[in-house]
Amino acid sequence: QSALTQPASVSGSPGQSITISCTGTSSDVGGYNYVSWYQQHPGKAPKLMIYEVRNRPSGVSNRFSGSKSGNTASLTISGLQAEDEADYYCSAYTSSYTVIFGGGTELTVL
Amino acid sequence: EVQLVESGGGLVQPGGSLRLSCAASGFAFTTHWMTWVRQAPGKGLEWVANIKKDGSEKYYVDSVKGRFTISRDNAKNSLYLQMSSLRAEDTAVYYCARYSSDWYVTFDIWGQGTMVTVSS
Repeated sequence: QSALTQPASVSGSPGQSITISCTGTSSDVGGYNYVSWYQQHPGKAPKLMIYEVRNRPSGVSNRFSGSKSGNTASLTISGLQAEDEADYYCSAYTSSYTVIFGGGTELTVL
Repeated sequence: EVQLVESGGGLVQPGGSLRLSCAASGFAFTTHWMTWVRQAPGKGLEWVANIKKDGSEKYYVDSVKGRFTISRDNAKNSLYLQMSSLRAEDTAVYYCARYSSDWYVTFDIWGQGTMVTVSS
C-alpha cells in the first residue's frame, strides 16, 4: 500500500501559521478517526504531537492543532517558532491492525 | 522514567539474519501493544509490525511478511524483531514504539532507534 500523500516541504516565517495536509483514501484517513501526527528533528526519534485527528497529548503546545475532512487530514501550526523546524509525519489506521504513514513534510522556518 | 531502548543493529550481508531487541522500562509493559517502525536513510517512516499485549496476535507490512517475526517476552519487558533473508532495501533505522493504552492507533513512546545496514 502506498504511503499517505503529504507535501514534501512547507515553509513560513516566525509568527505565521502553516498547514500540512495528509491525503489518503476512504480505507484509511477517511475511514477512521485514527490519524496521528509526529514531529521528528534530525537524528532524533519521532515525537507524538496529535492523536485521534485533533487531540494534543499533555505537554504539546496548543499552537499545534489537527483536523480532518473526508480523506484528508491536516496539521496546523500557528505562531511559528524556530524550534518547530522539523519533519512532520501523519499516520492512519488502515484496517486489520495495520498502520500507514505519510511520506513526510519538511517544515522550514524562514 | 518511561523508556524504550533498542539494540542489536549492525552490518549484515544480503540474505543474512539479525535479531533486534527493545528493552522497556518505567511502565506496565504487559498492558500495551508494541510496534516496530523503520526509516531508511533520508526517507520517511514505515510501519513494520505490531504485536498484541499477550503476543497472541501479530501483524506485518506486506514487504516483510514471511521474513520478519515480531515477538515479546513479557517476563523480561522486552520486544524483539527477528529479521531473515535480509535485503538492501531493509537498510534503515529501526524504532520500537509503544501503542498508547488510552488513544487508538497512537505511538506515544519511541526508542532512540538502532541502525541496520544490509550490504556486502
